[in-house]
Amino acid sequence: GAVVSQHPSWVICKSGTSVKIECRSLDFQATTMFWYRQFPKQSLMLMATSNEGSKATYEQGVEKDKFLINHASLTLSTLTVTSAHPEDSSFYICSAGGGDYEQYFGPGTRLTVT
Amino acid sequence: EDKVVQSPLSLVVHEGDTVTLNCSYEVTNFRSLLWYKQEKKAPTFLFMLTSSGIEKKSGRLSSILDKKELFSILNITATQTGDSAVYLCAVDNYGQNFVFGPGTRLSVLP
Repeated sequence: GAVVSQHPSWVICKSGTSVKIECRSLDFQATTMFWYRQFPKQSLMLMATSNEGSKATYEQGVEKDKFLINHASLTLSTLTVTSAHPEDSSFYICSAGGGDYEQYFGPGTRLTVT
Repeated sequence: EDKVVQSPLSLVVHEGDTVTLNCSYEVTNFRSLLWYKQEKKAPTFLFMLTSSGIEKKSGRLSSILDKKELFSILNITATQTGDSAVYLCAVDNYGQNFVFGPGTRLSVLP
């Protein structure tokens, strides 16, 4: 089946620094990738939709200047958390797919900001 | 290797039918199992299961976990067309990662 990887799996950074998270589709091309944040009540919040070769579409309430998304190729999307603060600590999960119902999830990246 | 398997992968039923979706898992450090309903974009959280044998219920949906046999089922009774979606099962690998299953695509015909 389709495999999506994320790197790193866990990152600890100091407040004020920036962190880049990669999402890769390993054996298929993904025209669309989605970035989610996992909240304590286990709900996944969609942050943005990333389309290859164009600007990401951010959900309401998500700061686009803080969460920079780049989808430079059909197999790679990156999420950069700029000037990270402790409240940004969370699980960030990506998914990739070619259609509305076909999404394959990555394992998530745990971000801890100290 | 950690994995989550769901069955069936696809299911077509008529309104009013009852369906049972299956999720089995093998992970190194189980913390909880989660069920989501996915329609267009972000999955909608349904249940989180941590203990065996305790049924969780929400309206026509219910779910139960068997930690000995490493599986969970999601039941939907009196299905409606609005139940058509992909149902995802995921396992929280004790904070190390989440392992998602491939999903079961449910189509409910009028």
